[in-house]
Amino acid sequence: DAKTTQPTSMDCAEGRAANLPCNHSTISGNEYVYWYRQIHSQGPQYIIHGLKNNETNEMASLIITEDRKSSTLILPHATLRDTAVYYCIVRGLTSGTYKYIFGTGTRLKVLA
Amino acid sequence: DARVTQTPRHKVTEMGQEVTMRCQPILGHNTVFWYRQTMMQGLELLAYFRNRAPLDDSGMPKDRFSAEMPDATLATLKIQPSEPRDSAVYFCASGFEDRAGYTFGSGTRLTVV
Repeated sequence: DAKTTQPTSMDCAEGRAANLPCNHSTISGNEYVYWYRQIHSQGPQYIIHGLKNNETNEMASLIITEDRKSSTLILPHATLRDTAVYYCIVRGLTSGTYKYIFGTGTRLKVLA
Repeated sequence: DARVTQTPRHKVTEMGQEVTMRCQPILGHNTVFWYRQTMMQGLELLAYFRNRAPLDDSGMPKDRFSAEMPDATLATLKIQPSEPRDSAVYFCASGFEDRAGYTFGSGTRLTVV
């Protein structure tokens, strides 16, 4: 699986958009970008995923660059409950499996 | 919303004892994972099942850990004998392999003293 690079931590003011970047410069053509978050002491929670087109759901938007080497997760109106560690994962079929390898993620703190 | 249920939520045991953690995946999901999380190592993949068959357990210490799916409604992770370095939160997740994301359980927090 391709390695991802994320900033260690970020702050965001409540009500503002939180933009979380991820670099995945070695991504291959059939690998998807997934985002999960983990709120303190809970299990990771799926947010969104995409291949090459931008995606939006009720939680967030995912913007993937045209060359697919980086992406940005956007939380349009961050709330205090969005404080969590956000993981960007690149997942493809490797040796017959679709496993996730989690990195260290970005610790997002939403400030009142 | 459908949930992945893990039991027990907390377990404290003495070194050398056997520990069994259980996971009830979401009905119909064909893929089950076990992960371990520590402060030092983060989230590590231990085992991966598809249609109850083990596909990958390369992340699991084979001498003391074992993972099984005796039926589609139950996945187990067993440690025998347990050691203090096994102290961690163990997560189970289930899903459909080639679709949207996996659902994680709330975890079992294991403390080995």
